[in-house]
Order: sequence, then C-alpha cells, then structure tokens
Amino acid sequence: NAGVTQTPKFQVLKTGQSMTLQCAQDMNHEYMSWYRQDPGMGLRLIHYSVGAGITDQGEVPNGYNVSRSTTEDFPLRLLSAAPSQTSVYFCASSHRLAVSGANVLTFGAGSRLTVL
Amino acid sequence: GENVEQHPSTLSVQEGDSAVIKCTYSDSASNYFPWYKQELGKGPQLIIDIRSNVGEKKDQRIAVTLNKTAKHFSLHITETQPEDSAVYFCAGTDGGTSYGKLTFGQGTILTVHP
Repeated sequence: NAGVTQTPKFQVLKTGQSMTLQCAQDMNHEYMSWYRQDPGMGLRLIHYSVGAGITDQGEVPNGYNVSRSTTEDFPLRLLSAAPSQTSVYFCASSHRLAVSGANVLTFGAGSRLTVL
Repeated sequence: GENVEQHPSTLSVQEGDSAVIKCTYSDSASNYFPWYKQELGKGPQLIIDIRSNVGEKKDQRIAVTLNKTAKHFSLHITETQPEDSAVYFCAGTDGGTSYGKLTFGQGTILTVHP
C-alpha cells in the first residue's frame, strides 16, 4: 500500500499565483485533513473532511479551499498565494472514530511550499 | 478549543540516557493523547498514545504518563539511541467532537549524541 501520497514535494510560487496541493490515500479511510507545519508552532489544522462531500474548517483556514469529491482524494487549493503561506503542508487520513476508537493519523511525506 | 503546550523545544542527550518531554493541555474533556515522531524529511508517525482512563502506558523503551488532575502528560524514552533523534509532537483531542480533532504541541527536537 502507498498510504498517503502528496504531490508536489516542492513548489515555488510568486505572490498572487494559485495552485493545488494533491493528496490521495488508498486505505479507505473516512477522515482526511490538511496541516501546515511552521517552526515553533507545531502542526496546525487547516481543513478536514469526515467523508466525501463533507468538509469543515480547522484552526487556520483563511486563504485555503478544499473539496472532497471521492473518499480517496482531498486537494488543497491556494487561491492567491501570500508569503505567509510559505510552509510545509501535510495531508493525513484516519479511520472514523467508531472504527478505531481514536483519531490515529497517517501522514503523507509533506509538500514544501515557498511563496516569493 | 484545546490548547497544548509542549516543553522543552530542544533536548540534547547522550546515547543511553533517558529523555522526557512534557505537555500540558487546557480542555478537561480531552480523552485521547497521542505522541508522534517525525524523522527528517518525513511525515509524523504515531509512536504511542494513551486514553484518559489510563495513567501510564509502555511500549518497549517508550512510555507515556497522564495526570488528568494536573492536565499534563509526558513521554519517556529510556536507553536512548541515535535513531531516536527526531522531532516529537504531543497532541490532545478537542473533547466532545465527533471528529476527534487533534491539537498539537509545538514540537521537541530531540538529539541523541553517540
């Protein structure tokens, strides 16, 4: 199994450009989420989804859009990139709580984004 | 919502020594506390977790303790090895949500010197 696959691994954008970070999982997990990792700030939740067609905001949603049309895919869109969005982005998936009893996350390898 | 504070931010030990990382949380409804390890260039990976009805849990050289009254929990690594060098994150659950949203601490960079 590939687990959680993120693309691209690295990306450089100019301020104002848009782009989509791709995330796919092959574990049939119901839950998927996006985090950003910044030095000294840990992992902060951007958006999450508890199933196809259902998304919700996390702690730092501004400037990002998501959609979940299938169980497998959860893309993160930056509509107009800003330097403050320079970060490492992680996608994660997990089983719904009724199955696992806890939200055990499987993370992708990350996507490093630089906005100039 | 939940707030999780993690200390220290960096920890340097000699191989064979013990390492302890501590976290405090704010939401008394939190009921699940995982620890994740992130190696260089990789995503975080769960190494151990504990539920609020348990005070301590061990898995070989790692253990986690939970003090619900004081609202803090700790990761203990004994007989450290160079391969334990990584960034460690604690997390607490946003209590009462069906999703089980996790709030992470700031992370601890552990360096084990041979």
